[in-house]
Amino acid sequence: SQQGEEDPQALSIQEGENATMNCSYKTSINNLQWYRQNSGRGLVHLILIRSNEREKHSGRLRVTLDTSKKSSSLLITASRAADTASYFCATDGVAPNAGNNRKLIWGLGTSLAVNP
Amino acid sequence: EPEVTQTPSHQVTQMGQEVILRCVPISNHLYFYWYRQILGQKVEFLVSFYNNEISEKSEIFDDQFSVERPDGSNFTLKIRSTKLEDSAMYFCASSGSPGRVRMSNQPQHFGDGTRLSIL
Repeated sequence: SQQGEEDPQALSIQEGENATMNCSYKTSINNLQWYRQNSGRGLVHLILIRSNEREKHSGRLRVTLDTSKKSSSLLITASRAADTASYFCATDGVAPNAGNNRKLIWGLGTSLAVNP
Repeated sequence: EPEVTQTPSHQVTQMGQEVILRCVPISNHLYFYWYRQILGQKVEFLVSFYNNEISEKSEIFDDQFSVERPDGSNFTLKIRSTKLEDSAMYFCASSGSPGRVRMSNQPQHFGDGTRLSIL
């Protein structure tokens, strides 16, 4: 699999249900970030989880990170129609010079449709 | 909340023409980036910029591409002679504000993108 590869590629659920998206990566990371993109719009940062963290919450979002399996999951609880978007994970890798400005490596994303 | 702004939102250009995409990063951020997303494909890193110089660039960022921070607020991406395959959404991002959180653990904040269409 490629760095930052999400599954499923597409997910359709009913409002009120939970949505779980997974991400796998290949190299060592400093942190992993989840972003949302509404159709034709920019990338909105949702949550960042550091490599030494296992779980993080933000509102209805819950992110887990398993560095031994090089995988992460994003759970959206009690989904709403407004959650319809594409969700991407991005990893920062380990910069050659270990600097602070680390490029993000992206997956193809999961397209989530929440039906009212 | 501060935002990254990009202009124009849509740029249509003839192949071979030069194009400049403009970005205003968040004002106290120190690191700046350009990414692109070809329709239906992954977001791809182009270049990162810090302290008035390029920190890292990808294979995509060849001699046709350049970046500049001409003043204290703007960050531009120039494509000298556009090709059909340059058609994509181009995203600017910024990160790294001085403070308690290590800069390497601060998120990158993105603009809404410029849709570049090469005819």
